Formats: sequence, C-alpha cells, structure tokens
Amino acid sequence: DGGITQSPKYLFRKEGQNVTLSCEQNLNHDAMYWYRQDPGQGLRLIYYSQIVNDFQKGDIAEGYSVSREKKESFPLTVTSAQKNPTAFYLCASNGQGVYTEAFFGQGTRLTVV
Amino acid sequence: QKEVEQDPGPLSVPEGAIVSLNCTYSNSAFQYFMWYRQYSRKGPELLMYTYSSGNKEDGRFTAQVDKSSKYISLFIRDSQPSDSATYLCALAYNQGGKLIFGQGTELSVKP
Repeated sequence: DGGITQSPKYLFRKEGQNVTLSCEQNLNHDAMYWYRQDPGQGLRLIYYSQIVNDFQKGDIAEGYSVSREKKESFPLTVTSAQKNPTAFYLCASNGQGVYTEAFFGQGTRLTVV
Repeated sequence: QKEVEQDPGPLSVPEGAIVSLNCTYSNSAFQYFMWYRQYSRKGPELLMYTYSSGNKEDGRFTAQVDKSSKYISLFIRDSQPSDSATYLCALAYNQGGKLIFGQGTELSVKP
C-alpha cells in the first residue's frame, strides 16, 4: 500500500546527542516536509524539499539538518544545537497534481532524557 | 502577525450539536484551503479541500471560504463522539506548495 512511514515511533535522546528520524514514502511525491508539533502551537515547518538534492529551511530550522539524496527518503537529524527537542515530529509529502493534499506519517515522539 | 490564526480551544460540545471551527489569515494570495483531522498521537488526515471562495459539503461536514474577509470555517452537523480530535486548517499559495497550518482546535464531543 502507498503511504509514508516514519520510524521510530518513540525516540529517547540524551543531552548532547544527535539523533536521526527516518521518513520514507512510496507515493512518488516530489515534495517532502518535516513539521514539529508542540501542544497548542499547531504544526511548525522545520525543512522542506521540493526535488531531490534540494531543500529549504522552514520557520524553525535552527538545530536541525536534513538530506534528500533519494526521492523516497527525507531523514531529519536533530542536533545537539537544538535546545528544546522534545516534541512530536511529523513528516509529510505532496505531489504536483490537481490537489495539494499532503499525506502524513504517523509521527515520531522524541523525548530528551 | 501569524499567517494563519486558529482558536486552539479546547472546545467541548454535546453529541448532536453543530460545531463551528474557524481560521483567519493575513495574506490574500492564499488560494488553497484545507481542513485536517488529527486523532491523538496520530498523523493528520485530510478532511476537506477547497479551492478559492465558496462552500463545499461532504456528508456532515461543510467547509466555507470567504476570501474577502480572509476567513475559513468548518461546520460539523450532528456531531459524534468519534469526531473528537484536533482540527487543523491549512493553506497554500499554489498547487503542490508548502502548507501553512493553523494552531489546531481540540474538539471533544460528549455522549
């Protein structure tokens, strides 16, 4: 079945560590996005990529990094420079057809311990 | 000023009530308007999609866009406990473009 897969579902990070969140899609979508969700703040855009080997910063990119080496994959690294990384992270993708519908993964909950 | 504003609630209603959820936005260049529903600890799912102004109905759900007022609404008729979720409005400037989300409104429908 087509969709977006995020892994892991839960992730624990020690202070000072980098961690990488995985996002894979088999929808043949060109664009992929990473959002961060905190209670009462909706979804805030971290990074997005509209084609392979290209990506742009969103509203809250500091302390995060991404790569887009393959169309299907858009991993997010939360670096030690991100001072408050505990949050729910959502990956999404959309295509260039009639609709702009974005499909979301099921999210990764990251907790700093 | 945020591009999209949405009352975060929470909103609690009895079963069978009519629910009205709203967003306002600041840039008249937005052309695509969406409502997503998100159950707890899950990814959002598209509920309604509207291009430009007007109404769109799908079962118990009606989406309204008023571009002159920069105001969008989602109405839920005969609300059910299964409608309890967070509802997010999302706007885009162009097809396939990045989505700008509101803060989300947490809705609880009590039996």
